[in-house]
Amino acid sequence: QKEVEQNSGPLSVPEGAIASLNCTYSDRGSQSFFWYRQYSGKSPELIMFIYSNGDKEDGRFTAQLNKASQYVSLLIRDSQPSDSATYLCAVIRGSGTYKYIFGTGTRLKVLA
Amino acid sequence: DAGVTQSPTHLIKTRGQHVTLRCSPISGHKSVSWYQQVLGQGPQFIFQYYEKEERGRGNFPDRFSARQFPNYSSELNVNALLLGDSALYLCASSLETSYNEQFFGPGTRLTVL
Repeated sequence: QKEVEQNSGPLSVPEGAIASLNCTYSDRGSQSFFWYRQYSGKSPELIMFIYSNGDKEDGRFTAQLNKASQYVSLLIRDSQPSDSATYLCAVIRGSGTYKYIFGTGTRLKVLA
Repeated sequence: DAGVTQSPTHLIKTRGQHVTLRCSPISGHKSVSWYQQVLGQGPQFIFQYYEKEERGRGNFPDRFSARQFPNYSSELNVNALLLGDSALYLCASSLETSYNEQFFGPGTRLTVL
């Protein structure tokens, strides 16, 4: 079992729809959770981070964390073609010394 | 403010050689992390340094080493290069360690022939 799992996709949604990206993690000791967007040939760009159970909203993006079920999700409202990219989920675990674990990413295609 | 910078942008080496990659963090950030990303995969954590001390290490062989300097810049060294070391090497900086979000540099594309 991978430590951080994401569906590789592609996930195709029409322009203006809500895109829902999911991520599960295996280590209950994971503390911090991040979503990055990566365009082809570019480095990852931080979208959002979440530490506590519940929802966190930032513009068109909402991150949701459920530690009991060990999943974190990212919702993108009013999806735009420019949102087409690979979305990486990352978790941090450890105390004193840390490990940052990334999933393999979900490729999102927003169709105009 | 400048973001994270990395050098060189691209590098071609042959098997058995040594390589040094460099990273300068965002001004005010004290922590630097290194990642390896191969095509189609997420970044794999190699090291984290904070205040010149190693604070985290991923599952990479001893051929990989790093250090952080007093100005918080960092170097990643890879000895005895293998074909499988061909990848995008990413540096990320953060204010400190633990919960802080990380910001990535543009990466160094290493090709080993």
